[in-house]
Amino acid sequence: GDSVTQMEGPVTLSEEAFLTINCTYTATGYPSLFWYVQYPGEGLQLLLKATKADDKGSNKGFEATYRKETTSFHLEKGSVQVSDSAVYFCALRRSGGYNKLIFGAGTRLAVHP
Amino acid sequence: DSGVTQTPKHLITATGQRVTLRCSPRSGDLSVYWYQQSLDQGLQFLIQYYNGEERAKGNILERFSAQQFPDLHSELNLSSLELGDSALYFCASSVGDTANSPLHFGNGTRLTVT
Repeated sequence: GDSVTQMEGPVTLSEEAFLTINCTYTATGYPSLFWYVQYPGEGLQLLLKATKADDKGSNKGFEATYRKETTSFHLEKGSVQVSDSAVYFCALRRSGGYNKLIFGAGTRLAVHP
Repeated sequence: DSGVTQTPKHLITATGQRVTLRCSPRSGDLSVYWYQQSLDQGLQFLIQYYNGEERAKGNILERFSAQQFPDLHSELNLSSLELGDSALYFCASSVGDTANSPLHFGNGTRLTVT
């Protein structure tokens, strides 16, 4: 079945460091890919999305490129801030039929001053 | 603010009891989804409704049921509660039912079963 695998956390970085959170997926067809972020005590917020191969989603300095050849959608940010501390979820949604949104396990990011 | 409203925010109840969680989707969204978030299971899809009709079912227990009303709000009913049902329950909504329709999540209802 469809699945999403994320790198395990927590990821601990200093402010202004470069961030990469790895995400790979298994799915038939051509799913849409998403990154969601969950801040403490809140629900999930859509961070960015990509709907086809080679698309790059970007928002708030974060970006991720849909790589079909490696079935990956890694999240990157050039310079993290303390306010980026949160849990990040990679997700996929297959088109047609039973197209629920499937999440990875989440990666906790802690950014220190 | 996602525009998705969930009530109550917190719920504490005893084993064996029944509770109802309520969700109001974003204005204009026809699809409503329910997810359970627990420490050991992560985010688990429970059920989806589209314009009042059940569209997809995930790992929803038989003790759980849901419905979407004509005004598009949804309720998730949990009965014969067990300690293991303690979790965060999220509702999400989307405009359509296609793969590239992002879901917008509420802030969740934290259920504690004692």
